Amino acid sequence: AQTVTQSQPEMSVQEAETVTLSCTYDTSESDYYLFWYKQPPSRQMILVIRQEAYKQQNATENRFSVNFQKAAKSFSLKISDSQLGDAAMYFCAYRGTNYGGSQGNLIFGKGTKLSVKP
Amino acid sequence: ETGVTQTPRHLVMGMTNKKSLKCEQHLGHNAMYWYKQSAKKPLELMFVYNFKEQTENNSVPSRFSPECPNSSHLFLHLHTLQPEDSALYLCASSQEGRLTGELFFGEGSRLTVL
Repeated sequence: AQTVTQSQPEMSVQEAETVTLSCTYDTSESDYYLFWYKQPPSRQMILVIRQEAYKQQNATENRFSVNFQKAAKSFSLKISDSQLGDAAMYFCAYRGTNYGGSQGNLIFGKGTKLSVKP
Repeated sequence: ETGVTQTPRHLVMGMTNKKSLKCEQHLGHNAMYWYKQSAKKPLELMFVYNFKEQTENNSVPSRFSPECPNSSHLFLHLHTLQPEDSALYLCASSQEGRLTGELFFGEGSRLTVL
């Protein structure tokens, strides 16, 4: 069975600095999708960035980028120029392609709580 | 107005009570989901509805009963719950058929079972 591991329960970063959140996963599939979701305190979880496993190029969305290492099964999130609004729980999620088709079949990690210091 | 709205935001109930959580999505999506979020545990997918039909039930106890009257509304009926059922219940929606489609989440309903 697929698993997603986030080894950092909590992280802290100074405003304007860069922080990297770690995520590893285990799968026997060759094609799959990876996601980072952000959950601010008492607010909705939103998609930050996604990566298709068949794409070698790392995904980038403004200040957010990933380091996708398929062989190592690693999918880290880098946040550049951190802002106070980046403070949130960050969840790494995996979705294979061999399920029945429901996009809800995401496997989530336990999350990393990111604090941003002014 | 958010795309996915959940009510109530907070609910406290006794083990013998019957209550319901409501979710409404205004995004025109055709799939809706219930997730359970407990402290220090990964999100757990509970139920999936595609076009109002339940397509998944991840071994959820029968004290949780979902209902999807149309593609915009989703309910979670609760009865004779246990204290360990206390958690944040998240509703989400998506447009099924897009393999990399994004899930849109509500703010959640915080449930406390006494």
